[in-house]
Amino acid sequence: GQSLEQPSEVTAVEGAIVQINCTYQTSGFYGLSWYQQHDGGAPTFLSYNALDGLEETGRFSSFLSRSDSYGYLLLQELQMKDSASYFCAIDRGSTLGRLYFGRGTQLTVWP
Amino acid sequence: DTGVSQDPRHKITKRGQNVTFRCDPISEHNRLYWYRQTLGQGPEFLTYFQNEAQLEKSRLLSDRFSAERPKGSFSTLEIQRTEQGDSAMYLCASSTITSSYNEQFFGPGTRLTVL
Repeated sequence: GQSLEQPSEVTAVEGAIVQINCTYQTSGFYGLSWYQQHDGGAPTFLSYNALDGLEETGRFSSFLSRSDSYGYLLLQELQMKDSASYFCAIDRGSTLGRLYFGRGTQLTVWP
Repeated sequence: DTGVSQDPRHKITKRGQNVTFRCDPISEHNRLYWYRQTLGQGPEFLTYFQNEAQLEKSRLLSDRFSAERPKGSFSTLEIQRTEQGDSAMYLCASSTITSSYNEQFFGPGTRLTVL
């Protein structure tokens, strides 16, 4: 089976940097995705790592270590609008289709 | 708007009734997924279509749940004899087989409340 662990809540102030960790166990692994979901909204894709290392997309970066079954999402220059839930999700390969989501981390950004 | 759309956005029903939800994916996407999300949880996979073929179905999907995707376009999810435990947000997502990282585009969801 698959399991993912991430912190349930993180708080930070505007302008700060925050890191959301994700550890996983899975019988098959192709990559790790990150999604953002605002209250009442749909999950939206943020980032993806198939290989070890850091992927940078603007203020957001994501890191993966396949040997440690670990990844993180790094959010820089936090803004109030970044307050949302962030989910890591295991991708077992595009031919299999489904994503396995963690329980999510609720990020609250204070002014 | 070329995003994923779902209808209805909200559904309130009494226990024992049948409900049907519709999802219209992004037009060029050949993959369509249904997920269920409850408060404080991440989306849980229900089923997956590639074109009109239903390729995978979660063990979460009891016999009361059925999904179709006729002609590989829109999809419907039907829940028969609803139970209070079926109350959740039902999310539809689509993606394209050509995507190198299985980016899934989610619709706004249908919130089901079973009384």
